[in-house]
Amino acid sequence: EDQVTQSPEALRLQEGESSSLNCSYTVSGLRGLFWYRQDPGKGPEFLFTLYSAGEEKEKERLKATLTKKESFLHITAPKPEDSATYLCAVHQIPGGSYIPTFGRGTSLIVHP
Amino acid sequence: EAGVVQSPRYKIIEKKQPVAFWCNPISGHNTLYWYLQNLGQGPELLIRYENEEAVDDSQLPKDRFSAERLKGVDSTLKIQPAELGDSAVYLCASSSGTVIDTQYFGPGTRLTVL
Repeated sequence: EDQVTQSPEALRLQEGESSSLNCSYTVSGLRGLFWYRQDPGKGPEFLFTLYSAGEEKEKERLKATLTKKESFLHITAPKPEDSATYLCAVHQIPGGSYIPTFGRGTSLIVHP
Repeated sequence: EAGVVQSPRYKIIEKKQPVAFWCNPISGHNTLYWYLQNLGQGPELLIRYENEEAVDDSQLPKDRFSAERLKGVDSTLKIQPAELGDSAVYLCASSSGTVIDTQYFGPGTRLTVL
């Protein structure tokens, strides 16, 4: 059973067409939820960390929000350079062991 | 500031051959992680180091995989012998403090086992 589920798997947008990516999780003992961007052939690049429900963070056209069961990555007026795979990861420490669990990602393509 | 460095970037080997990947973390980062990423999947943690000590290595297939981090700086991940199913991207990441701190990833090594 997946503990972290991202949707949609793929998303195509026109430039300027705002949308949201979802990351739902079922882990206990959440210590943080991370959003990353991954371009083809590269490692994930850190975007945001959220620690508690109600928290929000923004960076340029991106805004991340967190509830007790899910996180959203809102993309406002996207540009073609925002095309990438967006990964979320939850960090939990059940029983003292560190378990970072990544979702499968959402592949975003923004057409000019 | 230099990022996480990994080498080689690409490796093609025959099955049953050994292979090794090298990682140099960001200077001053005492925590180092090795991940495996299959196509279309998120990274999966293999092992985490705090300085020289390997912790959280429950996901590492110890029959064929081994890792070391001598002197608490750079690290090597080895597979011996490699199997077809080991074909994947191997990512290294580092962070400056606790496991909750931001992880900075290297570009990865793409392994193809024929």
